Amino acid sequence: GAVVSQHPSWVICKSGTSVKIECRSLDFQATTMFWYRQFPKQSLMLMATSNEGSKATYEQGVEKDKFLINHASLTLSTLTVTSAHPEDSSFYICSADWDRTKYEQYFGPGTRLTVT
Amino acid sequence: SQKIEQNSEALNIQEGKTATLTCNYTNYSPAYLQWYRQDPGRGPVFLLLIRENEKEKRKERLKVTFDTTLKQSLFHITASQPADSATYLCALAPGGKLIFGQGTELSVKP
Repeated sequence: GAVVSQHPSWVICKSGTSVKIECRSLDFQATTMFWYRQFPKQSLMLMATSNEGSKATYEQGVEKDKFLINHASLTLSTLTVTSAHPEDSSFYICSADWDRTKYEQYFGPGTRLTVT
Repeated sequence: SQKIEQNSEALNIQEGKTATLTCNYTNYSPAYLQWYRQDPGRGPVFLLLIRENEKEKRKERLKVTFDTTLKQSLFHITASQPADSATYLCALAPGGKLIFGQGTELSVKP
């Protein structure tokens, strides 16, 4: 149980284009999902908290107009990187709380974005 | 400022030995602390959670200690195996959001 998937696993796009990344909870419902970014040899940095049916909450310094998050259902959250630039190249990972009382988060396998 | 610090240098040990990783934090008062494993190019995998009122927790070959006075957690892998080679992350959850340390890369040599 508690499986989270991401699609695509990797994507290469040209500068100025937009890219959508999907995060799905496969065997449970996730009211809340989280989006992280990880640069090489660095830790995961929380970008935003995605709540089903409401607007995402972004961390300080994360541009909400650049990183659009939609959590339309209890099993799907999407992150769209708009007008991507090479500095947006990173590893994007989502997670979901399986059981709030257990505090454990289950992570997707990540999406490697390369902007050329 | 708030910080979560782990040994940034990679830890290299021989198979069969015990690996000990350290996580120190400042300006947090966590109710619990978590440890995750991350393999290259993959998302983190939850390993253990220890609460503030627990001094020690074990799961198979893993042991975690939590000293809220020292503001430190130690993560031990006994009888280490090459398959244990990965980056290990500690994390706190102030306000319900996970904040990670930078991770310690462990390499277990046969």
